[in-house]
Amino acid sequence: GEDVEQSLFLSVREGDSSVINCTYTDSSSTYLYWYKQEPGAGLQLLTYIFSNMDMKQDQRLTVLLNKKDKHLSLRIADTQTGDSAIYFCADGSQGNLIFGKGTKLSVKP
Amino acid sequence: NAGVTQTPKFRVLKTGQSMTLLCAQDMNHEYMYWYRQDPGMGLRLIHYSVGEGTTAKGEVPDGYNVSRLKKQNFLLGLESAAPSQTSVYFCASSYAEEQFFGPGTRLTVL
Repeated sequence: GEDVEQSLFLSVREGDSSVINCTYTDSSSTYLYWYKQEPGAGLQLLTYIFSNMDMKQDQRLTVLLNKKDKHLSLRIADTQTGDSAIYFCADGSQGNLIFGKGTKLSVKP
Repeated sequence: NAGVTQTPKFRVLKTGQSMTLLCAQDMNHEYMYWYRQDPGMGLRLIHYSVGEGTTAKGEVPDGYNVSRLKKQNFLLGLESAAPSQTSVYFCASSYAEEQFFGPGTRLTVL
């Protein structure tokens, strides 16, 4: 079946940029998503990108999509302690969402 | 709007017991989903529904049943709970690209 891969951990210092990477296998992907999960909470949609786009920017968030390499990244500028959470990449090409295992972002003061 | 709500928030069961998890949404969404989240496994789709009266199997449906008798509710049933079903269960609903998630139910099966 289709798969979505992410690194499990990322640690950055407050004020630095964070880059979370994701790879997917489905070449017919139409929408790719980034969700955020804070401790003890459900998932919150951060942003999504349509497959005919290379980049999407939304305030401190920048999503880059390389369709050739099936690589998606989420950049968080000026990372704050409140950004500490688990970030999930998801592929919406199959009608339902296929999630990666999540990247735990730790922000050190 | 309350969004997506889940009942209960926590539950402890003994092996072999049964229970039903309730998901409710007040956004008039057609699509509803049940996921389980396990450490190191991300979210996996159990069952989903594309409308009232319809259900379909997801990636990990074994040991679970679902019903969608009303558009706003999606029930997840465990007929005979097993320790392997210890997990956090999330419900979600959607009308288009975005899925809205509930706060989760933490289930422990002893």
